[in-house]
Amino acid sequence: KNEVEQSPQNLTAQEGEFITINCSYSVGISALHWLQQHPGGGIVSLFMLSSGKKKHGRLIATINIQEKHSSLHITASHPRDSAVYICAALELQETSGSRLTFGEGTQLTVNP
Amino acid sequence: DAGITQSPRHKVTETGTPVTLRCHQTENHRYMYWYRQDPGHGLRLIHYSYGVKDTDKGEVSDGYSVSRSKTEDFLLTLESATSSQTSVYFCAIKEGLTYEQYFGPGTRLTVT
Repeated sequence: KNEVEQSPQNLTAQEGEFITINCSYSVGISALHWLQQHPGGGIVSLFMLSSGKKKHGRLIATINIQEKHSSLHITASHPRDSAVYICAALELQETSGSRLTFGEGTQLTVNP
Repeated sequence: DAGITQSPRHKVTETGTPVTLRCHQTENHRYMYWYRQDPGHGLRLIHYSYGVKDTDKGEVSDGYSVSRSKTEDFLLTLESATSSQTSVYFCAIKEGLTYEQYFGPGTRLTVT
């Protein structure tokens, strides 16, 4: 069983829809990292959060530490949001600095 | 953009040949990481470095070695490539203040 699980694995939406991607983790963490992987393969950091909520443009990330759950929301989705969204649980470690345990990703396709 | 480059970006090699992938960063980050990404798996840590000549193993280190003789370069070597090492390899650095990790563009390696 993966320590970090994302749902859904695949998501297709129409332009303008509100999108939610969920991430559950079983490890004790210091923070939760949301990443976006473009169709070309590059990986971009979206958010690092340890409590509450963060917002950047149309993206909102929330985390509930007690329930070990995080969500990534996209408002007014657009075809350019099509990508793989990856969550990763961050554990601080003395030698490695930080250990990330990654979910398998959610493939989002937004149709015009 | 955390100033991370990887070379080569694409490589096809034959089973049994040695292969070295290079990660180069320009911002003097202490921590560097090598991951591999495969379908059905999240990103998995191969090796990491916490300073010049200081390296340690990750969860999938068998068949790989690393070296870091300069702060800016972290090399990943496959001593004798196997087909199971066909993958996309990502280098990452850890940002000191926030613990976020930033990824290079990736190297697609095919072992035939």
